[in-house]
Amino acid sequence: QTVVTQEPSLTVSPGGTVTLTCASSTGAVTSDYSPNWFQQKPGQTPRALVYSTSNKHSWTPARFSGSLLGGKAALTLSNVQPEDEAAYYCLLYYGDSWVFGGGTKLTVL
Amino acid sequence: QVQLQESGPGLVKPSGTLSLTCTVCGDSITYDNWWSWVRQPPGRGLEWIGEISHGGTTKYNPSLKSRVTISIDKSKNQFSLRLTSVTAADTAVYYCVRVLTAFQGFPNWGQGTLVTVS
Repeated sequence: QTVVTQEPSLTVSPGGTVTLTCASSTGAVTSDYSPNWFQQKPGQTPRALVYSTSNKHSWTPARFSGSLLGGKAALTLSNVQPEDEAAYYCLLYYGDSWVFGGGTKLTVL
Repeated sequence: QVQLQESGPGLVKPSGTLSLTCTVCGDSITYDNWWSWVRQPPGRGLEWIGEISHGGTTKYNPSLKSRVTISIDKSKNQFSLRLTSVTAADTAVYYCVRVLTAFQGFPNWGQGTLVTVS
């Protein structure tokens, strides 16, 4: 059973920078895993932010950026805004299936 | 603009079969994309269930594979989910999702529908 691990929770101050990571139980995450990132606010549908490691959708704010960092997929939020408080999920591809991470609850405080 | 809408019973009895349909507007289901189902138990994270290509090729979550069937109806521009032998653990909000080809992301989601097994 493949497991994708994210930080359960993180806290950041408004205007600050925070990096969320996404690790695979199978080893280092590479671009072959086509990492995707999603944002979900309470009571809302998930919203896609990043695909294929670092590509943004047309609606993704510029302060969000995806990358590979130390064998993990990463989502960095710069100049964090209060409205960025949400749950963030990564999604990795394993050849014939996708696996979501458990999600990171980001608090802006 | 692409829109997806889930429909189906909101209550299913234990050991029964969960059946949902996703109607797609603004895109043809026959185009070169994939069509996916994702679920989220109350208060928990997202789980990928499976997906189907425009040509009918399917991929499933290994942990659900024995109970899941995803199918496509090109004439109605719909795709469907069937999950058999359900238990309370299958209680969740079920989302249908459009997946762009060539790993260009999961940009379009339905609003989700809550299915309770009880």
